[in-house]
Amino acid sequence: DAMVIQNPRYQVTQFGKPVTLSCSQTLNHNVMYWYQQKSSQAPKLLFHYYDKDFNNEADTPDNFQSRRPNTSFCFLDIRSPGLGDAAMYLCATSRGTSGDNEQFFGPGTRLTVL
Amino acid sequence: DAKTTQPTSMDCAEGRAANLPCNHSTISGNEYVYWYRQIHSQGPQYIIHGLKNNETNEMASLIITEDRKSSTLILPHATLRDTAVYYCIVRGLNTGGFKTIFGAGTRLFVKA
Repeated sequence: DAMVIQNPRYQVTQFGKPVTLSCSQTLNHNVMYWYQQKSSQAPKLLFHYYDKDFNNEADTPDNFQSRRPNTSFCFLDIRSPGLGDAAMYLCATSRGTSGDNEQFFGPGTRLTVL
Repeated sequence: DAKTTQPTSMDCAEGRAANLPCNHSTISGNEYVYWYRQIHSQGPQYIIHGLKNNETNEMASLIITEDRKSSTLILPHATLRDTAVYYCIVRGLNTGGFKTIFGAGTRLFVKA
């Protein structure tokens, strides 16, 4: 089945130690998104790629970066994780960005910062 | 900012219809209404979306008022596995062009 895959499902890192989360998709969608979801809160969009074009949200910290080497893969890099970055990180995809394009979400990666 | 208002929580008896309301009084003409749900510790799951007409799929029905200022998601026969947070989202060109901005959602408890 076509799907959005996130690895690992659980990631533990140390304060200040760089960490990379990965997302892959078999839907061949043009757009890939990264969301951050803290405990008991709604998901918050960090940034997205439309093909190779990167679009950052205005309030996304510089500590968060992303790479999309090809259509299928997208990575979230956290350069110096702080305790406040502990959260569920969700990857999503969509065919396009118009209003009639639903997003498909992966299962998420839960990041713990020690 | 989220453009929708939903009740914080609702209860529903198993086997009964669950009707989840959403207010989106500032919706623009080209904006779609989407519903997602999120079961604990999983990614959000797409349920249904619509523009003006009522929509139905294998999961649910979406009823949009004629003035489009509110909508209702209907789960016709709720089961215990439908216990989740349900997000009503307005998405379209006026919502930052492409953003799916989540509000607080409604926590639905389906009880046996």
